Amino acid sequence: QSVLTQPPSVSGAPGQRVTISCTGSSSNIGAGYDVHWYQQLPATAPKLLIYGNSNRPSGVPDRFSGSKSGTSASLAITGLQAEDEADYYCQSYDISLSAWVFGGGTRLTVL
Amino acid sequence: EVQLVESGGGLVQPGGSLRLSCAASGFTFSSYEMNWVRQAPGKGLEWISYISSSGSSIYYADSVKGRFTISRDSAKNSLYLQMNSLRAEDTAVYYCARKLPGTTWFDPWGQGTLVIVSS
Repeated sequence: QSVLTQPPSVSGAPGQRVTISCTGSSSNIGAGYDVHWYQQLPATAPKLLIYGNSNRPSGVPDRFSGSKSGTSASLAITGLQAEDEADYYCQSYDISLSAWVFGGGTRLTVL
Repeated sequence: EVQLVESGGGLVQPGGSLRLSCAASGFTFSSYEMNWVRQAPGKGLEWISYISSSGSSIYYADSVKGRFTISRDSAKNSLYLQMNSLRAEDTAVYYCARKLPGTTWFDPWGQGTLVIVSS
């Protein structure tokens, strides 16, 4: 059971927009800690996709965007491409656990 | 180019020990905090340990506390994870990941090393 809750899977057709939610609590996202997102392509290491709720590292396409509100955050992907098919994880810090915490991951399927 | 390369994984019997290494290059290792994150087969990511840039602050997840020990050697630009009393549930790919002081995200990650605990 992950501290941050994500839907197990989402899907969309090429060119469409999908969103992935990440729900936390008052001890992590709701406490003001930033949310970060990682993309894990098949058989590869996770890669930072969004940091500080809504910032993209250099090289990440602007098709990827993040937002945060209250105890939740979201990752949006527009103009879906086949290469976006991957697992996506949200991550924050939990003050009660004194630990960095992850969501359970969401598998994106491009139909 | 910033690079993290893990090594030391393998097959170990329950109750056994293993020492993982993470070789860092392309950045000033002593200026960054380091972490170990693991991923069990087919499962999600789990943070397990943190060490500050100086090595003076260390934290562990409850799941490994008392069994795993994180350390670093700035002269060798290397991070280590000593794993003792290994259990089947420790089977996972272990990643080292860099963290900038004052931030809460991990970037980049190494390619990972697989640890299998089985008799």
